[in-house]
Amino acid sequence: GESVGLHLPTLSVQEGDNSIINCAYSNSASDYFIWYKQESGKGPQFIIDIRSNMDKRQGQRVTVLLNKTVKHLSLQIAATQPGDSAVYFCAETYSQSKLTFGKGITLSVRP
Amino acid sequence: DTGVSQNPRHKITKRGQNVTFRCDPISEHNRLYWYRQTLGQGPEFLTYFQNEAQLEKSRLLSDRFSAERPKGSFSTLEIQRTEQGDSAMYLCASSGQGGAATDTQYFGPGTRLTVL
Repeated sequence: GESVGLHLPTLSVQEGDNSIINCAYSNSASDYFIWYKQESGKGPQFIIDIRSNMDKRQGQRVTVLLNKTVKHLSLQIAATQPGDSAVYFCAETYSQSKLTFGKGITLSVRP
Repeated sequence: DTGVSQNPRHKITKRGQNVTFRCDPISEHNRLYWYRQTLGQGPEFLTYFQNEAQLEKSRLLSDRFSAERPKGSFSTLEIQRTEQGDSAMYLCASSGQGGAATDTQYFGPGTRLTVL
């Protein structure tokens, strides 16, 4: 099948380890940020979000960190599982309008 | 299934033909977005609607592209006189009216267009 992650940087981790995926965003006025997971042949799937008035937000096995000073966003996945293998995109938006996506990263989980 | 749905899932057409895609958003969402994604890239914004009003169009949306949302529910995206460069995945997303819990855009499975 098609590969969403063609030509994208790849992060390879051992099953059970923690993963950290980083993203640099472009617009200092962006006020809402989302991480999406995309598997081949499927649309992006919402993972976690964070607003610009927060530095950290935790979900189930996932944590998002926001550093507005350097316009940096990261996604931490605890105890990475084979089902986490996919392409991950960060996205930013201002005032509830269009999303601007960052360059995706392919996460590959080694058994 | 109460998520965003798109039809068809795949479309193969010859250069110069017209194609139309449909998106059905999550029922209570009043914002609907169209994006285009090519292999190895993130989705790129095309246009979005709030109810039936088209509020913004990207420069990517040439005159051959038109989108409608006549009753503020489903939307259609039409490409006239298709070109090989139009080959891509066309994604639809929807979100609520606004407010703290309703900004999130939820995506459909996409329509994969191949122009021969």
